Amino acid sequence: GAVVSQHPSRVICKSGTSVKIECRSLDFQATTMFWYRQFPKQSLMLMATSNEGSKATYEQGVEKDKFLINHASLTLSTLTVTSAHPEDSSFYICSAPGQRYEQYFGPGTRLTVT
Amino acid sequence: AQSVAQPEDQVNVAEGNPLTVKCTYSVSGNPYLFWYVQYPNRGLQFLLKYITGDNLVKGSYGFEAEFNKSQTSFHLKKPSALVSDSALYFCGGGTDKLIFGTGTRLQVFP
Repeated sequence: GAVVSQHPSRVICKSGTSVKIECRSLDFQATTMFWYRQFPKQSLMLMATSNEGSKATYEQGVEKDKFLINHASLTLSTLTVTSAHPEDSSFYICSAPGQRYEQYFGPGTRLTVT
Repeated sequence: AQSVAQPEDQVNVAEGNPLTVKCTYSVSGNPYLFWYVQYPNRGLQFLLKYITGDNLVKGSYGFEAEFNKSQTSFHLKKPSALVSDSALYFCGGGTDKLIFGTGTRLQVFP
């Protein structure tokens, strides 16, 4: 099946710095990718839709200047957490749509802000 | 607005017993519904989906789900649980983007 990768799998950064997370579709092209954030108590929240060649679409309540999304090619979307704070610590997961409405998910990135 | 609800945070079941993980939905138009499973520190894996057709959908690892329009439900089921089924299960709905429920942790005891 289709594979989506994320890099890095884990990252620790200091408060105030920025962190970039990459999401790649390895064997298919994705004009759209999705970014999710998973909170400690399980819930999976859709943050934004990444669109190749155009601006990302953010869900209500998600700060677009805080979470910068770039979809530079048909196989790569990046999420940059700017001026990270401890409350940004979370598990970030990306996905790309496949055939027949299925989504292919990346393995996730654990971000810890100290 | 579209929403998916999973009313149980956790479901406990003994190995060999049948299991049910509940999901209800609220969508306009025809619902596209999905179940995904997540193992620790991993992304989500597709289990099954309902788009149209038979209300009983069969998926991976022996799981199945029944679409019930009158009850707006899409409960996940398995006739005989395995310890290895212990994981986090998400019900989702949508076409161009997926909205998930809050997840249900399934714990299967030996």
